[in-house]
Amino acid sequence: QQQVKQSPQSLIVQKGGISIINCAYENTAFDYFPWYQQFPGKGPALLIAIRPDVSEKKEGRFTISFNKSAKQFSLHIMDSQPGDSATYFCAASLPSGYSTLTFGKGTMLLVSP
Amino acid sequence: NAGVTQTPKFRVLKTGQSMTLLCAQDMNHEYMYWYRQDPGMGLRLIHYSVGEGTTAKGEVPDGYNVSRLKKQNFLLGLESAAPSQTSVYFCASNNVIAGGGDEQYFGPGTRLTVT
Repeated sequence: QQQVKQSPQSLIVQKGGISIINCAYENTAFDYFPWYQQFPGKGPALLIAIRPDVSEKKEGRFTISFNKSAKQFSLHIMDSQPGDSATYFCAASLPSGYSTLTFGKGTMLLVSP
Repeated sequence: NAGVTQTPKFRVLKTGQSMTLLCAQDMNHEYMYWYRQDPGMGLRLIHYSVGEGTTAKGEVPDGYNVSRLKKQNFLLGLESAAPSQTSVYFCASNNVIAGGGDEQYFGPGTRLTVT
């Protein structure tokens, strides 16, 4: 049973446009929702994360929107740049003593020049 | 400060062969993880460790064994490799803050092909 569903699988956005990636989760006990960015041939790296006590978190051009009642969260990339072309993973974890992450299946983003 | 390193970077095995993947971290992290990444499947947790001498099963542990004899190292073993274990393997580590949830630092990955 997939606990974190991510869409779309792939996305093409023009330079300067807004990229939006969505995730939905099933387990209401999740309380930490990070997004990881992965460039080809590299390991994933944390991009931005949110906890459910806030509805939005912004860091530069990257924003997480969180809807607790809908059990959904999304990543918005404003003014998308070719350097943003990467695979993005959403994830979620429980408030236990150790943070095992459950990842979505990933979204390949291509920002065309 | 090298962060998380993985050895080897690439490996080709024949079905039935065994091998060990090594992960090392120099950040004094308590927690370490092994994931596999397959196209369209995201990252799936194989095994993890919450401290030296401890290990636990993740989502897809079958066919793998792990050991954490030293805090800085986490080894992933394949006793009898199968083509289904062809994948990219990532190691990660972190310290967990109170209440859970903390950044995991990933290594560069090991690309394993089993023929």
